[in-house]
Amino acid sequence: DTAVSQTPKYLVTQMGNDKSIKCEQNLGHDTMYWYKQDSKKFLKIMFSYNNKELIINETVPNRFSPKSPDKAHLNLHINSLELGDSAVYFCASSLERNLEQYFGPGTRLTVT
Amino acid sequence: SQQGEEDPQALSIQEGENATMNCSYKTSINNLQWYRQNSGRGLVHLILIRSNEREKHSGRLRVTLDTSKKSSSLLITASRAADTASYFCAPRGTSYDKVIFGPGTSLSVIP
Repeated sequence: DTAVSQTPKYLVTQMGNDKSIKCEQNLGHDTMYWYKQDSKKFLKIMFSYNNKELIINETVPNRFSPKSPDKAHLNLHINSLELGDSAVYFCASSLERNLEQYFGPGTRLTVT
Repeated sequence: SQQGEEDPQALSIQEGENATMNCSYKTSINNLQWYRQNSGRGLVHLILIRSNEREKHSGRLRVTLDTSKKSSSLLITASRAADTASYFCAPRGTSYDKVIFGPGTSLSVIP
């Protein structure tokens, strides 16, 4: 009965590879988000979707591409991975855009 | 969009003591949210207080909001070692705002 789930939990890969992180929420929420938390623990928003429509697209490299096949899923695909992409990536969802957000457990990405 | 500024950046207390952390923001809000993050975990929403509310309680947590001073405080009473975590505030304006998290307050509760 996990509310927001992410897979995988850990991802270790080499530079130049392409990888995806999946996110699913079973809360019936309309809005989903991707955040990146770096080694200094700053949490930065990357993307937000509302009803499958992209509403927030921060200044991130275009190697990052979110995809929302339906309201319950928001996946993150990363092309040509770089060392600086190493971080913990969190998915979140909220019923409406400015209400409280529910976070997934995070995916720790390590690029070697 | 605006970022909440948490203060202090770090706080260390003994188990059983109360912990107070503050949040300041710059522009008018619709609501303000507090979150907790345990090490290695995702953020957990604690309390949402609306702009027309002054105080809200949830268990051992008490949140106050002073819109005239553009500040909020989170009080954790009778702290426990399990309260050790980082705490973040998120002031929210319109529904078009994005959440910008600050550096948070790192709370250590010593058993």
